[in-house]
Amino acid sequence: QVQLQESGPGLVKPSQTLSLTCTVSGGSISSGSYYWSWIRQPAGKGLEWIGRIYTSGSTNYNPSLKSRVTISVDTSKNQFSLKLSSVTAADTAVYYCARDRIDYGEPFDPWGQGTLVTVSS
Amino acid sequence: EIVLTQSPGTLSLSPGERATLSCRASQSVSSSYLAWYQQKPGQAPRLLIYGASSRATGIPDRFSGSGSGTDFTLTISRLEPEDFAVYYCQQYGKGYTFGQGTKLEIK
Repeated sequence: QVQLQESGPGLVKPSQTLSLTCTVSGGSISSGSYYWSWIRQPAGKGLEWIGRIYTSGSTNYNPSLKSRVTISVDTSKNQFSLKLSSVTAADTAVYYCARDRIDYGEPFDPWGQGTLVTVSS
Repeated sequence: EIVLTQSPGTLSLSPGERATLSCRASQSVSSSYLAWYQQKPGQAPRLLIYGASSRATGIPDRFSGSGSGTDFTLTISRLEPEDFAVYYCQQYGKGYTFGQGTKLEIK
Protein backbone atom coordinates (compact mmCIF):
# COMPACT_ATOMS: atom_id res chain seq x y z
CA GLN A 1 0.00 0.00 0.00
CA VAL A 2 1.57 3.24 -1.16
CA GLN A 3 2.01 5.98 1.43
CA LEU A 4 3.16 9.56 0.98
CA GLN A 5 4.84 11.80 3.56
CA GLU A 6 5.62 15.50 3.22
CA SER A 7 8.63 17.09 4.89
CA GLY A 8 10.32 20.47 4.98
CA PRO A 9 10.61 23.73 6.92
CA GLY A 10 7.46 24.90 8.66
CA LEU A 11 8.48 28.55 8.55
CA VAL A 12 9.69 30.51 5.53
CA LYS A 13 10.52 34.21 5.34
CA PRO A 14 8.77 36.46 2.81
CA SER A 15 10.51 36.66 -0.59
CA GLN A 16 12.37 33.40 0.06
CA THR A 17 11.82 30.00 -1.56
CA LEU A 18 9.59 27.35 -0.01
CA SER A 19 11.02 23.85 -0.42
CA LEU A 20 9.15 20.63 0.39
CA THR A 21 9.78 16.96 -0.29
CA CYS A 22 7.31 14.10 -0.59
CA THR A 23 8.66 10.65 0.20
CA VAL A 24 6.85 7.70 -1.34
CA SER A 25 6.87 4.37 0.49
CA GLY A 26 5.32 1.01 -0.29
CA GLY A 27 5.97 1.29 -4.01
CA SER A 28 8.33 2.75 -6.59
CA ILE A 29 7.76 6.30 -7.76
CA SER A 30 8.88 5.16 -11.21
CA SER A 31 6.41 2.33 -11.67
CA GLY A 32 3.03 2.59 -13.30
CA SER A 33 1.49 5.49 -15.15
CA TYR A 34 1.25 7.81 -12.18
CA TYR A 35 1.34 11.55 -11.77
CA TRP A 36 2.64 13.02 -8.53
CA SER A 37 1.06 16.28 -7.45
CA TRP A 38 1.30 19.07 -4.92
CA ILE A 39 -1.90 20.61 -3.57
CA ARG A 40 -2.31 23.29 -0.93
CA GLN A 41 -5.01 24.50 1.43
CA PRO A 42 -4.94 27.81 3.33
CA ALA A 43 -6.44 27.59 6.79
CA GLY A 44 -10.22 27.40 6.64
CA LYS A 45 -10.24 27.53 2.85
CA GLY A 46 -10.48 25.22 -0.13
CA LEU A 47 -8.00 23.15 -2.09
CA GLU A 48 -5.72 24.47 -4.83
CA TRP A 49 -3.73 22.24 -7.19
CA ILE A 50 -0.16 23.52 -7.58
CA GLY A 51 1.39 21.19 -10.13
CA ARG A 52 2.43 17.65 -10.99
CA ILE A 53 5.25 15.56 -12.33
CA TYR A 54 4.96 12.38 -14.36
CA THR A 55 7.14 9.33 -13.91
CA SER A 56 9.03 10.42 -17.04
CA GLY A 57 9.86 13.75 -15.40
CA SER A 58 7.51 15.92 -17.46
CA THR A 59 5.70 18.61 -15.48
CA ASN A 60 2.50 20.64 -15.56
CA TYR A 61 1.75 23.63 -13.36
CA ASN A 62 -1.26 25.67 -12.31
CA PRO A 63 -1.12 28.74 -14.58
CA SER A 64 -1.70 31.02 -11.59
CA LEU A 65 1.52 29.78 -9.94
CA LYS A 66 3.55 28.65 -12.93
CA SER A 67 6.09 31.47 -12.83
CA ARG A 68 7.10 30.58 -9.26
CA VAL A 69 6.83 26.76 -9.15
CA THR A 70 9.31 24.00 -9.86
CA ILE A 71 8.56 20.32 -9.25
CA SER A 72 11.28 17.72 -9.60
CA VAL A 73 11.72 14.01 -8.93
CA ASP A 74 14.56 11.97 -7.43
CA THR A 75 13.85 8.36 -8.34
CA SER A 76 16.90 7.10 -6.41
CA LYS A 77 15.34 8.39 -3.19
CA ASN A 78 11.73 7.68 -4.22
CA GLN A 79 10.91 11.35 -3.65
CA PHE A 80 9.54 14.32 -5.50
CA SER A 81 9.92 17.93 -4.48
CA LEU A 82 8.29 21.34 -4.66
CA LYS A 83 9.98 24.71 -4.83
CA LEU A 84 7.88 27.87 -4.67
CA SER A 85 9.81 31.10 -5.02
CA SER A 86 9.17 34.66 -3.87
CA VAL A 87 6.69 33.60 -1.23
CA THR A 88 4.32 35.96 0.56
CA ALA A 89 1.87 35.54 3.41
CA ALA A 90 -0.69 34.38 0.84
CA ASP A 91 1.36 31.20 0.39
CA THR A 92 0.79 30.18 4.01
CA ALA A 93 -1.09 26.89 3.83
CA VAL A 94 -1.09 23.18 4.49
CA TYR A 95 0.75 21.57 1.60
CA TYR A 96 -0.22 18.05 0.50
CA CYS A 97 1.35 15.65 -1.94
CA ALA A 98 -0.83 13.12 -3.73
CA ARG A 99 -0.81 10.54 -6.50
CA ASP A 100 -3.17 10.13 -9.40
CA ARG A 101 -3.43 8.10 -12.57
CA ILE A 102 -5.52 10.48 -14.58
CA ASP A 103 -5.00 8.65 -17.88
CA TYR A 104 -6.94 5.78 -16.31
CA GLY A 105 -9.59 8.02 -14.77
CA GLU A 106 -8.20 7.74 -11.25
CA PRO A 107 -8.02 10.97 -9.22
CA PHE A 108 -5.93 11.84 -6.16
CA ASP A 109 -5.43 8.79 -3.97
CA PRO A 110 -3.59 8.47 -1.69
CA TRP A 111 -2.66 11.79 -0.13
CA GLY A 112 0.07 12.61 2.34
CA GLN A 113 -0.97 13.83 5.77
CA GLY A 114 -0.01 17.40 4.89
CA THR A 115 2.52 19.84 6.29
CA LEU A 116 1.84 23.39 7.45
CA VAL A 117 4.06 26.08 5.98
CA THR A 118 3.86 29.57 7.44
CA VAL A 119 5.33 32.54 5.63
CA SER A 120 6.39 35.13 8.15
CA SER A 121 9.39 37.22 9.08
CA GLU B 1 -10.54 26.81 -16.25
CA ILE B 2 -13.58 24.80 -15.17
CA VAL B 3 -15.17 26.37 -12.10
CA LEU B 4 -17.03 24.08 -9.72
CA THR B 5 -19.77 25.50 -7.51
CA GLN B 6 -20.97 23.41 -4.58
CA SER B 7 -24.26 23.84 -2.78
CA PRO B 8 -25.31 24.28 -0.14
CA GLY B 9 -22.37 25.84 1.66
CA THR B 10 -23.50 24.26 4.92
CA LEU B 11 -25.96 21.42 5.43
CA SER B 12 -27.38 20.74 8.89
CA LEU B 13 -28.83 17.26 9.33
CA SER B 14 -29.27 14.59 11.99
CA PRO B 15 -27.78 11.09 12.06
CA GLY B 16 -29.95 8.69 10.12
CA GLU B 17 -31.11 11.35 7.66
CA ARG B 18 -30.29 11.49 3.96
CA ALA B 19 -27.80 14.05 2.67
CA THR B 20 -27.76 15.40 -0.87
CA LEU B 21 -24.80 17.56 -1.95
CA SER B 22 -24.59 19.31 -5.30
CA CYS B 23 -21.67 20.23 -7.55
CA ARG B 24 -22.22 22.28 -10.69
CA ALA B 25 -19.52 22.84 -13.31
CA SER B 26 -19.09 25.93 -15.49
CA GLN B 27 -18.64 23.66 -18.52
CA SER B 28 -19.11 20.01 -19.25
CA VAL B 29 -16.75 17.68 -17.37
CA SER B 30 -15.20 15.33 -19.90
CA SER B 31 -15.57 11.58 -19.40
CA SER B 32 -17.39 12.27 -16.13
CA TYR B 33 -14.01 12.81 -14.52
CA LEU B 34 -15.63 14.08 -11.34
CA ALA B 35 -14.54 13.01 -7.86
CA TRP B 36 -15.79 13.58 -4.34
CA TYR B 37 -13.57 13.81 -1.25
CA GLN B 38 -14.33 13.89 2.46
CA GLN B 39 -12.15 15.95 4.78
CA LYS B 40 -12.23 15.93 8.57
CA PRO B 41 -10.46 18.55 10.73
CA GLY B 42 -6.70 18.12 10.74
CA GLN B 43 -6.80 15.36 8.13
CA ALA B 44 -6.05 15.09 4.45
CA PRO B 45 -8.97 14.68 2.04
CA ARG B 46 -10.07 11.10 1.47
CA LEU B 47 -11.30 9.92 -1.93
CA LEU B 48 -14.92 8.74 -1.83
CA ILE B 49 -16.15 8.71 -5.42
CA TYR B 50 -14.42 8.85 -8.80
CA GLY B 51 -15.73 8.82 -12.33
CA ALA B 52 -18.84 10.54 -10.95
CA SER B 53 -20.33 7.31 -9.59
CA SER B 54 -17.68 4.72 -8.70
CA ARG B 55 -16.92 4.20 -5.01
CA ALA B 56 -13.29 4.15 -4.00
CA THR B 57 -11.88 1.13 -2.19
CA GLY B 58 -13.29 0.70 1.30
CA ILE B 59 -16.01 3.34 0.99
CA PRO B 60 -19.37 2.26 2.49
CA ASP B 61 -22.26 1.81 0.10
CA ARG B 62 -24.28 4.52 1.85
CA PHE B 63 -22.16 6.92 -0.24
CA SER B 64 -23.22 7.23 -3.88
CA GLY B 65 -22.46 9.61 -6.70
CA SER B 66 -24.44 10.51 -9.79
CA GLY B 67 -24.62 13.00 -12.60
CA SER B 68 -22.94 13.91 -15.87
CA GLY B 69 -22.12 16.91 -17.98
CA THR B 70 -22.30 19.88 -15.63
CA ASP B 71 -24.44 18.62 -12.73
CA PHE B 72 -23.28 16.10 -10.16
CA THR B 73 -24.61 14.87 -6.82
CA LEU B 74 -23.18 13.09 -3.80
CA THR B 75 -25.78 11.28 -1.72
CA ILE B 76 -25.28 9.82 1.72
CA SER B 77 -28.27 7.57 2.31
CA ARG B 78 -28.26 7.34 6.11
CA LEU B 79 -25.90 9.63 7.96
CA GLU B 80 -23.58 8.10 10.51
CA PRO B 81 -21.89 10.26 13.19
CA GLU B 82 -18.54 9.89 11.41
CA ASP B 83 -19.95 11.35 8.16
CA PHE B 84 -20.09 14.91 9.48
CA ALA B 85 -17.23 16.63 7.68
CA VAL B 86 -16.46 18.88 4.72
CA TYR B 87 -17.00 17.46 1.24
CA TYR B 88 -15.25 18.65 -1.91
CA CYS B 89 -15.93 17.85 -5.53
CA GLN B 90 -13.08 17.90 -8.04
CA GLN B 91 -12.93 17.68 -11.81
CA TYR B 92 -9.90 16.10 -13.43
CA GLY B 93 -10.99 15.99 -17.04
CA LYS B 94 -9.38 19.30 -17.97
CA GLY B 95 -6.67 20.17 -15.51
CA TYR B 96 -7.63 19.90 -11.87
CA THR B 97 -10.07 22.16 -10.04
CA PHE B 98 -11.94 21.80 -6.78
CA GLY B 99 -15.24 23.12 -5.55
CA GLN B 100 -15.28 25.37 -2.49
CA GLY B 101 -16.70 22.64 -0.26
CA THR B 102 -19.91 21.80 1.58
CA LYS B 103 -19.78 21.52 5.35
CA LEU B 104 -22.07 18.78 6.66
CA GLU B 105 -22.82 19.54 10.30
CA ILE B 106 -24.89 17.88 13.00
CA LYS B 107 -28.27 19.50 13.54
